[in-house]
Amino acid sequence: EPEVTQTPSHQVTQMGQEVILRCVPISNHLYFYWYRQILGQKVEFLVSFYNNEISEKSEIFDDQFSVERPDGSNFTLKIRSTKLEDSAMYFCASSALRAFFGQGTRLTVV
Amino acid sequence: ILNVEQSPQSLHVQEGDSTNFTCSFPSSNFYALHWYRWETAKSPEALFVMTLNGDEKKKGRISATLNTKEGYSYLYIKGSQPEDSATYLCALDQGGKLIFGQGTELSVKP
Repeated sequence: EPEVTQTPSHQVTQMGQEVILRCVPISNHLYFYWYRQILGQKVEFLVSFYNNEISEKSEIFDDQFSVERPDGSNFTLKIRSTKLEDSAMYFCASSALRAFFGQGTRLTVV
Repeated sequence: ILNVEQSPQSLHVQEGDSTNFTCSFPSSNFYALHWYRWETAKSPEALFVMTLNGDEKKKGRISATLNTKEGYSYLYIKGSQPEDSATYLCALDQGGKLIFGQGTELSVKP
């Protein structure tokens, strides 16, 4: 079965630093998503992306966040200046007729 | 913007209880309805893909039905077990683009 790959699996960063979470979606998929889950809390939608543009975003996805598809294969989530409350599992997904999710990146902000 | 609603937002049941939750959507104009099971800190697991009005799918103790005319899908869990504790997400498939509900968080106490 095709896989969505996320790297790194675990990232530790200092508060205020920029982080880039990387995702390699399924190659012929056109729609991409980022979700996150803060430990002990509900799954939260962040953003969906289509045709090199954000198609929808949640209130969480403020100016500190950005997404891009820099080279046609990777799909990245950038957090410009991390806060302690950004610590969470971040999941990427891509879809064609169904969604495939990556294994997640655990981001720890210290 | 198409809105996919799930209810209840959270559910707490005892082991052995049977439970069900709802995914509702305003339109019958879609390709498929997906159900995902998302355990904390893990990648979501695809449960069912449903396409036709009256579709009924089953996987062990979990089953789902689809009513496209009235715009809802039910997910049933018979004899809930602690390992069923997870967030259950439905998603409307509009030809590749998935619109996710907010999820129902199920907690099963032993």
